Amino acid sequence: EDKVVQSPLSLVVHEGDTVTLNCSYEVTNFRSLLWYKQEKKAPTFLFMLTSSGIEKKSGRLSSILDKKELFSILNITATQTGDSAVYLCAVIPPAGTASKLTFGTGTRLQVTL
Amino acid sequence: DAGVIQSPRHEVTEMGQEVTLRCKPISGHNSLFWYRQTMMRGLELLIYFNNNVPIDDSGMPEDRFSAKMPNASFSTLKIQPSEPRDSAVYFCASSWTGGDQPQHFGDGTRLSIL
Repeated sequence: EDKVVQSPLSLVVHEGDTVTLNCSYEVTNFRSLLWYKQEKKAPTFLFMLTSSGIEKKSGRLSSILDKKELFSILNITATQTGDSAVYLCAVIPPAGTASKLTFGTGTRLQVTL
Repeated sequence: DAGVIQSPRHEVTEMGQEVTLRCKPISGHNSLFWYRQTMMRGLELLIYFNNNVPIDDSGMPEDRFSAKMPNASFSTLKIQPSEPRDSAVYFCASSWTGGDQPQHFGDGTRLSIL
């Protein structure tokens, strides 16, 4: 059974700190890895990573995928209280199968003043 | 553009009652997904449809749960009879499976069974 593990489960940092969230997976063949941010409501899409070693950036957030070592990291620099959320990673199976995501349990990030 | 629309936003009902959750996917998306989220189990996929056809319902907990997608713009998730352990937030998401496209989530239905 496909498995996605995120660490840490929970993290509290001060505003301005840099954080690194980890996602490792045991998935036999996958097409892409996704990162989502979930605040009070629905998960919102952050990044899709398909190729190993290519960093994606959006403002203070960046992410990279290592297909050989089977993990991805999400970095947030100069954290703000608005970054407080649960961050979810998920894996998409190969093309030809309908896009059934396998989600990790998430990392709960709290940024304090 | 309108996102995924779910209704109701909240539902509180007594155990044994029938519950129907509704979802309107993003126009043009051909895949629709129902998820359940709890503190204990996180986000779990219940069922997904591709071109209105159920592809995998292995995540549906038991026969009390059923889902339909009568057309490309509407889906329902029904629980009958409901039980307190069904209390959770239920999300609907849609995507286009023609390429590497992420799923877009609705705001969810918070269901409480008393």
